[in-house]
Amino acid sequence: GESVGLHLPTLSVQEGDNSIINCAYSNSASDYFIWYKQESGKGPQFIIDIRSNMDKRQGQRVTVLLNKTVKHLSLQIAATQPGDSAVYFCAEKPGSSNTGKLIFGQGTTLQVKP
Amino acid sequence: DTGVSQDPRHKITKRGQNVTFRCDPISEHNRLYWYRQTLGQGPEFLTYFQNEAQLEKSRLLSDRFSAERPKGSFSTLEIQRTEQGDSAMYLCASRASGFSYNEQFFGPGTRLTVL
Repeated sequence: GESVGLHLPTLSVQEGDNSIINCAYSNSASDYFIWYKQESGKGPQFIIDIRSNMDKRQGQRVTVLLNKTVKHLSLQIAATQPGDSAVYFCAEKPGSSNTGKLIFGQGTTLQVKP
Repeated sequence: DTGVSQDPRHKITKRGQNVTFRCDPISEHNRLYWYRQTLGQGPEFLTYFQNEAQLEKSRLLSDRFSAERPKGSFSTLEIQRTEQGDSAMYLCASRASGFSYNEQFFGPGTRLTVL
């Protein structure tokens, strides 16, 4: 079946640097995308979302970019902090879904070095 | 705490036993989802409730799995005759009504280990 994938399983950055986590999706009909953060032993925590009619959305220290031409999604974290260390998942909502179910990628582990 | 809660947090069982998990969504959320997450993977959709109606089930939800939401509030997920392959984190999420363009809030999950 179609799925959302991530480019790198692990990303290591220095504290204070900016982080960019990438995601490639395959379903061109998906109309909504979310980034989640998951810390060990916890459920996924919402970070930011974006609808398919947008290219960019900003939150506090985070920015999501959507490139529908190449079906690519990215999460940018500014001034990465040790508390940002976690696994990050992108997820898509198929446009055909009336239930809002999400399809998740495999995740990228972000390691922040002090 | 008004977030999604799940009980138990951990469950260890022997193969062949039945287990039941409970999820309490955020009180005003009428949409409820169950997902399964295995080690190193993203969550996979299992089933969806709108109020008390189960409106979608994944092919992952074999006939040994059953989910209910009898009064449109809490939900239960039962696994009968557990197998080692059922070992995973079972996550519950809830969402407010309205458009489907709003985030799902996840609970802490129930970690199932089948021996």
